Amino acid sequence: GAVVSQHPSRVICKSGTSVKIECRSLDFQATTMFWYRQFPKKSLMLMATSNEGSKATYEQGVEKDKFLINHASLTLSTLTVTSAHPEDSSFYICSARDRSGIGYEQYFGPGTRLTVT
Amino acid sequence: AQKVTQAQTEISVVEKEDVTLDCVYETRDTTYYLFWYKQPPSGELVFLIRRNSFDEQNEISGRYSWNFQKSTSSFNFTITASQVVDSAVYFCALSEAAGGFKTIFGAGTRLFVKA
Repeated sequence: GAVVSQHPSRVICKSGTSVKIECRSLDFQATTMFWYRQFPKKSLMLMATSNEGSKATYEQGVEKDKFLINHASLTLSTLTVTSAHPEDSSFYICSARDRSGIGYEQYFGPGTRLTVT
Repeated sequence: AQKVTQAQTEISVVEKEDVTLDCVYETRDTTYYLFWYKQPPSGELVFLIRRNSFDEQNEISGRYSWNFQKSTSSFNFTITASQVVDSAVYFCALSEAAGGFKTIFGAGTRLFVKA
């Protein structure tokens, strides 16, 4: 089955630093990837849609300068949290849409737990 | 705009009881997909089922069953003879064709199954 990986699975960083999270589709090509964040005991909130070779589309209220998304290849999208602060601590999950599948086929990564101290 | 409502925040049952998790959705699109996901404490989402808007057939998979009713915009999930391993957060989600198939999640229902 289709597999999406995320790296790292956990990261702790100091306030003010930037951290990059990778999302990879391992056995399929993904023209579109989605980034979600999940606060403890809350739902997944869509942050942005990442399209290969073009700029990401951000959901309302998400700071695009804060959360930089790059989708440079058909198998890799990265989310960089710039100048991280404790309130950015969250669980970040990506999903990838199979290029060869029907539109609804999305596969979720295992998530990255970010802690900003 | 698409929206998913899971009114039950937490449900607690005793093992072997049946439990139904409610999901009500809103969409203006005629082509859409509904999903249920399980999120255990590890955090990784586990896909349970997908239903498209043109298929209202109910589905059963082992102890799990789903009731899709377009007339009431509901997609409810029933676990029969619940087990402790069913304890998790369950999310209902909606993906619209008009929205580029981005998936929007409900608030989730936390299910506790006690032995």
